[in-house]
Amino acid sequence: LAKTTQPISMDSYEGQEVNITCSHNNIATNDYITWYQQFPSQGPRFIIQGYKTKVTNEVASLFIPADRKSSTLSLPRVSLSDTAVYYCLVGGGYNKLIFGAGTRLAVHP
Amino acid sequence: SQTIHQWPATLVQPVGSPLSLECTVEGTSNPNLYWYRQAAGRGLQLLFYSVGIGQISSEVPQNLSASRPQDRQFILSSKKLLLSDSGFYLCAWSVAGDSPHGYTFGSGTRLTVV
Repeated sequence: LAKTTQPISMDSYEGQEVNITCSHNNIATNDYITWYQQFPSQGPRFIIQGYKTKVTNEVASLFIPADRKSSTLSLPRVSLSDTAVYYCLVGGGYNKLIFGAGTRLAVHP
Repeated sequence: SQTIHQWPATLVQPVGSPLSLECTVEGTSNPNLYWYRQAAGRGLQLLFYSVGIGQISSEVPQNLSASRPQDRQFILSSKKLLLSDSGFYLCAWSVAGDSPHGYTFGSGTRLTVV
């Protein structure tokens, strides 16, 4: 299973764009990249998933370069309610998703 | 639509007592099912996963066991709880098969062993 590396924590302010980058140098050909968001005392919530290039939904964008060895989650115009832990995972199908420590994002007024 | 139910929400148990946490999924068939544990301020640790009835894979040797008596029911158990079993337990499901679908998590059970 591909291991991921992401920053332990990040700080931002309301209205700013936040980009969280994740490294996954050993990603396999059939692996997808998935991001989750977790609030305290809640289960993680699926945010976005992609395989290559760019994916956008109503919540975020995911940028994946051609070599797929990294990915960047982009949160446009964050608010206080975006304060959470964000996990980057690589895998798919029968592969068990292994969660790392994630990135703690703190959004300040 | 698919939903996942997990109970109880909180549980306080004495050391040495048994444990049974239940998770059920509605609205789908033959899901992959997972049990995760999260210690305070830490990431999620995969404990068990199941791709079918009676099929359980253990990721971490420990004081816990899992069972899947029905297609959409996943149970986490212990015969004798340890203090180190305290944590936030999460059940999740995903679509079976070789497809890159995300996981849907339950609301979790906060277990405190005293």
